[in-house]
Amino acid sequence: GQQVMQIPQYQHVQEGEDFTTYCNSSTTLSNIQWYKQRPGGHPVFLIQLVKSGEVKKQKRLTFQFGEAKKNSSLHITATQTTDVGTYFCAGGNYGGATNKLIFGTGTLLAVQP
Amino acid sequence: NAGVTQTPKFRVLKTGQSMTLLCAQDMNHEYMYWYRQDPGMGLRLIHYSVGEGTTAKGEVPDGYNVSRLKKQNFLLGLESAAPSQTSVYFCASSRRTSGGMTQYFGPGTRLLVL
Repeated sequence: GQQVMQIPQYQHVQEGEDFTTYCNSSTTLSNIQWYKQRPGGHPVFLIQLVKSGEVKKQKRLTFQFGEAKKNSSLHITATQTTDVGTYFCAGGNYGGATNKLIFGTGTLLAVQP
Repeated sequence: NAGVTQTPKFRVLKTGQSMTLLCAQDMNHEYMYWYRQDPGMGLRLIHYSVGEGTTAKGEVPDGYNVSRLKKQNFLLGLESAAPSQTSVYFCASSRRTSGGMTQYFGPGTRLLVL
């Protein structure tokens, strides 16, 4: 079955350092979404990418969707303690009448002040 | 709007006991989902529903049943709980669209099966 892998599983950075997490799908995706889950919380939607090669920015966060629509990345510039949490990518498939998503395994980000 | 709510927030069961988790949404969403989250495994889809009266199996459906008698509610049942079902359960909902759409998550139910 389809798999979505994320690396790294865990990253510890000093506040102010940059952070990147990578997402790879075993199949071509129709769209990719990114979610953030704070410790003890629930996943919260960040963004959706649909087009091949698409790049979107939200303040210090930059999201990319690969040309082949099989991979994606999230880059955070100058991390802050508020960035702490687990970041999940989630891939959607063509013909998605169900709007089902396959979630990646997540990357836990720890930021040391 | 309350968004997506889940009941209960936390529960301890003994092996073999049954229980029902309730998910309610007030956003008039057609789609609803049940996930379980385990350390290092991400979110895995248990069952989902594309509309009132319809349900379908997800990635890990064994040991669970669901019902969607009303559009706003999605129930997840465990008929005979097992320790392997110890997990955090999240419900989510989304609108019907072919282009992909945000899923809104509830706060989760933490279940411990002894």
